[in-house]
Order: sequence, then C-alpha cells, then structure tokens
Amino acid sequence: EIVLTQSPGTLSLSPGERATLSCRASQSVSSSYLAWYQQRPGQAPRLLIYGASSRATGIPDRFSGSGSGTDFTLTISRLEPEDFAVYYCQQYGSSLYSFGQGTKLEIK
Amino acid sequence: EVQLEQSGAEVKKPGESLKISCKGSGYRFTTNWIGWVRQMPGKGLEWMGIIYPSDSDTRYSPSLQGQVTISADKSINTAYLQWSSLKASDTAMYYCARHYGAKIDYWGQGTLVTVSS
Repeated sequence: EIVLTQSPGTLSLSPGERATLSCRASQSVSSSYLAWYQQRPGQAPRLLIYGASSRATGIPDRFSGSGSGTDFTLTISRLEPEDFAVYYCQQYGSSLYSFGQGTKLEIK
Repeated sequence: EVQLEQSGAEVKKPGESLKISCKGSGYRFTTNWIGWVRQMPGKGLEWMGIIYPSDSDTRYSPSLQGQVTISADKSINTAYLQWSSLKASDTAMYYCARHYGAKIDYWGQGTLVTVSS
C-alpha cells in the first residue's frame, strides 16, 4: 500500500505570497494517478489538480501542480483569502485510493 | 450537472446498525465508480471503498475491510454505506464521491454520523 506524506503540516503565509506544498510517496506513483484537493472549513473537499498537473474545471490558474515519481508539489502563486484551507494529495493504484494526511494553510 | 445528495445526520448508540445513502444525478450512475470517504472529527480524509453500480463490483480499503458494507441500487441511482454494529469510533463525517478514473471529481455534502451511549 502506497503511503503519502505531506509537508509541512501547517504553512503560515500572508495573502499575496506564494505557497509550496509537498507530497511524497512511499513508492513511485504514475503522474497520471496523483491528484490534489482543497477543503475549506465546514465544506466537502474539492478537486483542484489531477494527473499531477491538470487543473480541474473552474480552478484558477494561480493553482499549479508538478512532480513525478515519488515527489509532487502543489503551488499557489499568489494567495487569495479564500485559499486558506487544508490541502490533500491523493494517489490511485491497483484499484485502491489513498490520501496524504493534509497540509493546513493558515493566514500569518 | 452532476449532483450527489446524501442522507441526513444520524445519532446512534453503540451496537446499533445503520445504512446511509447517496443519490446520484446528472450523469450515468451505473457506469461510474462511486465510493465513500471518512473524516473523523478534526482529522484528515480516509478512503473507504468504491462500488461499480452496474455489476456491484466492490473494492475496500484494506484497513476497513469487513467493518462496513458498500452497496448500490442502480434502479434508483443510489449508493449505500452500512454498518451492522456501530462503535463510538465510527463517529465521523462520511462523504460519498464519484470516482472518475484516478480522480475523485464530485463530492456529496457529507453525512455526519454520531455514535454515543
């Protein structure tokens, strides 16, 4: 079973700054099978990025994903107030899915 | 428009059984995997399992196998998550979600299950 480890656990930044979130897999993950989600307080998760780098429908272009193998990154180029939330990476393999433990992005 | 409408919040006692539901609309329900994700209070997302409504092929997370049952009734476009004997540790928010290939693209609003004596 592939384990995803996200870092940092909490990231404190100000609006307008750049955020870089990391997701490391315990073994290689196909880029096609890595996604990112945003969860705001009291809301269901929302798909942001799939296939490691493709933005989901309606997702602003300040969100971007990159990486391959065991190391993947979600970047938010200029933080807006609504971007402060928890972010999860997710992988798919052998008909099973798993999530990382999440990174909380908080206002500094 | 794809929508997943989940049943309402539940309060149960330990040992009781429960079945919660998720009705899909706006897409071809029978030929898309649909599954469940657990979120315990203050914790992260935990994938539980999926079902293919057309033939009821089901996959479970190894850590949750045997603890819950996922089913679907394709005649009414509804998926279910069921417990035969609830524990306090089952207290959580449960989300149903459409699994489209490797991504989970549409989510229900969540069903809060509280198990307390």
